[in-house]
Amino acid sequence: TQLLEQSPQFLSIQEGENLTVYCNSSSVFSSLQWYRQEPGEGPVLLVTVVTGGEVKKLKRLTFQFGDARKDSSLHITAAQPGDTGLYLCAGVEGTSYGKLTFGQGTILTVHP
Amino acid sequence: NAGVTQTPKFQVLKTGQSMTLQCAQDMNHEYMSWYRQDPGMGLRLIHYSVGAGITDQGEVPNGYNVSRSTTEDFPLRLLSAAPSQTSVYFCASNPSPRSYEQYFGPGTRLTVT
Repeated sequence: TQLLEQSPQFLSIQEGENLTVYCNSSSVFSSLQWYRQEPGEGPVLLVTVVTGGEVKKLKRLTFQFGDARKDSSLHITAAQPGDTGLYLCAGVEGTSYGKLTFGQGTILTVHP
Repeated sequence: NAGVTQTPKFQVLKTGQSMTLQCAQDMNHEYMSWYRQDPGMGLRLIHYSVGAGITDQGEVPNGYNVSRSTTEDFPLRLLSAAPSQTSVYFCASNPSPRSYEQYFGPGTRLTVT
């Protein structure tokens, strides 16, 4: 099983600050997904990155897939309290896109 | 569409008891899977199914059984519950094994005493 190391595990910032969450592996993934999870709910898919070097933007969130497809990052610009939640990266093995390997998650708290 | 539904929301079991966690989806998705989520460990794949009648093991299958008699339903059975199975369980579905779309249910929080 391929492993994904996610960092930091906890992040507590003030509203308006920028932040970056990292997801790293020694193995190559065919694609990588980022999820956001609220307490008491299931993860919700934010984005899928497929191509090495790919950058996707979702409003204030920027997702990047490393050139070698071993790492990814999530950058949030001007964080807001509504961004608070658990962020999870998940790598896809081969072509079974429903069979995910998850990182440990980053708990983000944005204080007003 | 209700999406992916799971029942019950919460469950407490005694060691050695058995039970079935229910999962259903109304999106006609081929692919369904079960994950468990533990603090500091993300989600880990237990079992998955690429279609009715076809199931396979994931990363942590021991102590769990699944079956897929219909496209809609994918129940997870705990044969003899152990405290190590205390966790939050999520069911997920994809339109197909080669689809990036993944939809998770709301989860079942299970405590084994």
